Amino acid sequence: AQSVTQPDIHITVSEGASLELRCNYSYGATPYLFWYVQSPGQGLQLLLKYFSGDTLVQGIKGFEAEFKRSQSSFNLRKPSVHWSDAAEYFCAVAANEKLTFGTGTRLTIIP
Amino acid sequence: GAVVSQHPSRVICKSGTSVKIECRSLDFQATTMFWYRQFPKQSLMLMATSNEGSKATYEQGVEKDKFLINHASLTLSTLTVTSAHPEDSSFYICSASTGLTGGNEQFFGPGTRLTVL
Repeated sequence: AQSVTQPDIHITVSEGASLELRCNYSYGATPYLFWYVQSPGQGLQLLLKYFSGDTLVQGIKGFEAEFKRSQSSFNLRKPSVHWSDAAEYFCAVAANEKLTFGTGTRLTIIP
Repeated sequence: GAVVSQHPSRVICKSGTSVKIECRSLDFQATTMFWYRQFPKQSLMLMATSNEGSKATYEQGVEKDKFLINHASLTLSTLTVTSAHPEDSSFYICSASTGLTGGNEQFFGPGTRLTVL
C-alpha cells in the first residue's frame, strides 16, 4: 500500500526567506504526486502535481516541487515566502483512484 | 473550471438527528466522488468512494449504515450522517474526479463543519 511521510509537523519561516517542505512517498509503481494547501477552515487547493516528464514542476503562487525517484521524495519549494503563505500543506500520492495524504506541515510566517 | 461546492458549509445539530451534506461538481461531470473526514490538526482520511449510479465503497472502519452516501447523478453526491453523536463532529470534505486527467486528479470542495451537540 502507498504511504506519504511529511517529517516536519511545523515550520516557521521569516517573510521573504526561502522555503522547503519535505515529502517522502512509498509506492511500487510510478507515482502521481500532489501538493495541496489548506487555509484554516477551508478545503484544499492544488498547488502542483507530477504525473510524468520533467521532474521539476511549477505550480501556482510561485511554488515548485522536484520529483526525485532515487530518494522517493517530492519536496516543495518557494524562493521567497509571503505572509499569505501561512497555511497547512499536504503532500499526497495517487494510486488506484485514491489519494493518500501525508500528515501535513503547518507553515508559520514571521515578519 | 473544475469547481466543487458543498452545502452547508457549517451545521450544528442535536445528538440523535441526521444531517445531509451535499457535494456538487459545478462545471464538469464527476464519474467518481470521494468523501473525506478531517479531525482538528490532522490529515484527511478517506471515508468512501462513490461512482454515479452504484453503491459507495467504504474504507475499512467506516460504518456504511451510519454514513450513507448517494451518488444520484454525475454532478451530485450526498453524505448523510445518521443518528449523529458528538464523536461525529468533524470537518467533512468531498472531492470529485472526471477520471480523464492523469492520476485521476481530484477537485476538492470547501468542506462542511459538523458540530453535534
